[in-house]
Amino acid sequence: IVMTQSPATLSVSPGDRASLSCRASQSVNSNLAWYQQKPGQAPRLLIYDASTRATGIPARFSGTGSGTDFTLTISSLQSEDFAVYYCHQYHNWPPSDYTFGLGTKLEIK
Amino acid sequence: EVQLVESGGGLVQPGGSLRLSCVASGFTVSTKYMSWVRQAPGKGLEWVSVIYTGETTHYAESVKGRFTISRDSSKNTVYLQMDSLRVEDTAVYYCANDRLRGFDLWGQGTLVTVSS
Repeated sequence: IVMTQSPATLSVSPGDRASLSCRASQSVNSNLAWYQQKPGQAPRLLIYDASTRATGIPARFSGTGSGTDFTLTISSLQSEDFAVYYCHQYHNWPPSDYTFGLGTKLEIK
Repeated sequence: EVQLVESGGGLVQPGGSLRLSCVASGFTVSTKYMSWVRQAPGKGLEWVSVIYTGETTHYAESVKGRFTISRDSSKNTVYLQMDSLRVEDTAVYYCANDRLRGFDLWGQGTLVTVSS
């Protein structure tokens, strides 16, 4: 399953809203996660099952979608939110079928 | 504190070997599905291998036959033995807990560079 993220780079002003897209080449139901990665750091799980926030994730992060089209929305961007975001499908098993998108870089406008 | 700490990365020539270690604290690795995920410089994420709570293991096609994942419960550590290394194996290697609904705990990563 190929995961396509768009746009590759998104420029947004602090305080504004950002919407990041992830599209699967075939249905993954709701078996989708989102991660945030800052330079020099490991990825951090934000959302799983397409719309459930992971422990400790602020409410300004929300995930929607099912099937092939998914969106990560960050309302009222904070300075610490500028990072690269990856989607990850875990629909198929075993994990050798897990795939990640190439990422969207969220940068300050 | 729940955390994962990787070590063992470094510079190795093509065809060489390395063994990565991932020490867990705050939980028992034998009760979790533990994976290795890698990230080539400036690139995205690629799942590499997993070891389940039993001894079942799985590998990405790109590393099958060359990498071996294992676990030492007495040391609460997961290993990745990497043999016949190729230039394209150059990456930061992360160990991570696979909860089958995303990877919810990651180590800080260890850099493996394969170059002559």
